[in-house]
Amino acid sequence: NAGVTQTPKFRILKIGQSMTLQCTQDMNHNYMYWYRQDPGMGLKLIYYSVGAGITDKGEVPNGYNVSRSTTEDFPLRLELAAPSQTSVYFCASSAPGQDGGYGYTFGSGTRLTVV
Amino acid sequence: AQSVTQLDSQVPVFEEAPVELRCNYSSSVSVYLFWYVQYPNQGLQLLLKYLSGSTLVESINGFEAEFNKSQTSFHLRKPSVHISDTAEYFCAVSSVTGNQFYFGTGTSLTVIP
Repeated sequence: NAGVTQTPKFRILKIGQSMTLQCTQDMNHNYMYWYRQDPGMGLKLIYYSVGAGITDKGEVPNGYNVSRSTTEDFPLRLELAAPSQTSVYFCASSAPGQDGGYGYTFGSGTRLTVV
Repeated sequence: AQSVTQLDSQVPVFEEAPVELRCNYSSSVSVYLFWYVQYPNQGLQLLLKYLSGSTLVESINGFEAEFNKSQTSFHLRKPSVHISDTAEYFCAVSSVTGNQFYFGTGTSLTVIP
């Protein structure tokens, strides 16, 4: 049982380049999330999805896009990378009622640097 | 919506000393409360949670937290810390009917030998 898998673990992008951060889970969770983590700022929600074909914006969606074509996958797309997007990105999933509440399972993160 | 405040960004403590990491939340509805731990270069792992019932919840590695509704707090405590407890700790809240978590800014616990 792999849980939540994120790829790549590290990436350096040049300003204006694009890339996709991959996230897949094998727990059949309906809910999936993308967070970014910046020093001293905690975790901020970028986008989330409550099921295949359904996505919605979180606190900081600007500069990002997502899609959810399957239950397992929830990729995050950066179209025009900017230095402000240098961060550590975490994907998470959960299921309604999991352990009696919406407990999250996190991936191990993607460390992105935009130069 | 809910919000979480972790008052201490960094907490240094000597090995085998007690520690308390503070967490206060704001919400107009009933909530679930969580503590997550993040070890260096890793993702977040659930440490403990309060959903209902007893207001004192415990983890398998000796941490405990108490839900105090009147003070809207969920402080994390451990009577005797170990070097291996050095990590970042995040408090989180969600409504009982919602599907989003709101995280605090984290507390970096450093255990000094």
